[in-house]
Amino acid sequence: NAGVMQNPRHLVRRRGQEARLRCSPMKGHSHVYWYRQLPEEGLKFMVYLQKENIIDESGMPKERFSAEFPKEGPSILRIQQVVRGDSAAYFCASSAGTQGTEAFFGQGTRLTVV
Amino acid sequence: GENVGLHLPTLSVQEGDNSIINCAYSNSASDYFIWYKQESGKGPQFIIDIRSNMDKRQGQRVTVLLNKTVKHLSLQIAATQPGDSAVYFCAENYGGATNKLIFGTGTLLAVQP
Repeated sequence: NAGVMQNPRHLVRRRGQEARLRCSPMKGHSHVYWYRQLPEEGLKFMVYLQKENIIDESGMPKERFSAEFPKEGPSILRIQQVVRGDSAAYFCASSAGTQGTEAFFGQGTRLTVV
Repeated sequence: GENVGLHLPTLSVQEGDNSIINCAYSNSASDYFIWYKQESGKGPQFIIDIRSNMDKRQGQRVTVLLNKTVKHLSLQIAATQPGDSAVYFCAENYGGATNKLIFGTGTLLAVQP
């Protein structure tokens, strides 16, 4: 049973380009969470999605960032017109969704904006 | 607001000693808590969890204590090993419709051989 899969592991983008980060949850999990981590800091919640629905996006910047979790395929975190401040590690977690169940994390995508 | 904080940003212990990592959480309505371990360059790894109807839970070499009165969590690691060196995060689950985990800033555990 594969764990949470994120790709790419490393992504380099020039300022103004778009970044697309992918997350495939664990088998049987229908709930996905995205977090951002700056060096030497904790994980900051961004968005919580279920299949085809955004449940909580209170941590998402209002502009340039969007997330989806389609009926088929991985969850996508999309950052348009990237800026240097977007450089960070982005982690995805999945869970079965029942309240109080553990979430499993992927290995993250490290985005570098040059 | 969302705020889970740790008292000690860095903890250095000798191999074989016991380690205690502390965490304060802010939301009295949080009902589920998890400790994660994160090694350099990797994603957080689940260690142990505890629900709010418990005050102690034990795993293999690890124990989590929950004090709801003062909104405090601790992670105890027995007989600390070099492989335990990592950053440790506590996370609280706000529950309800959002079911999101809120993380603290982490404690770096450095095990000296």
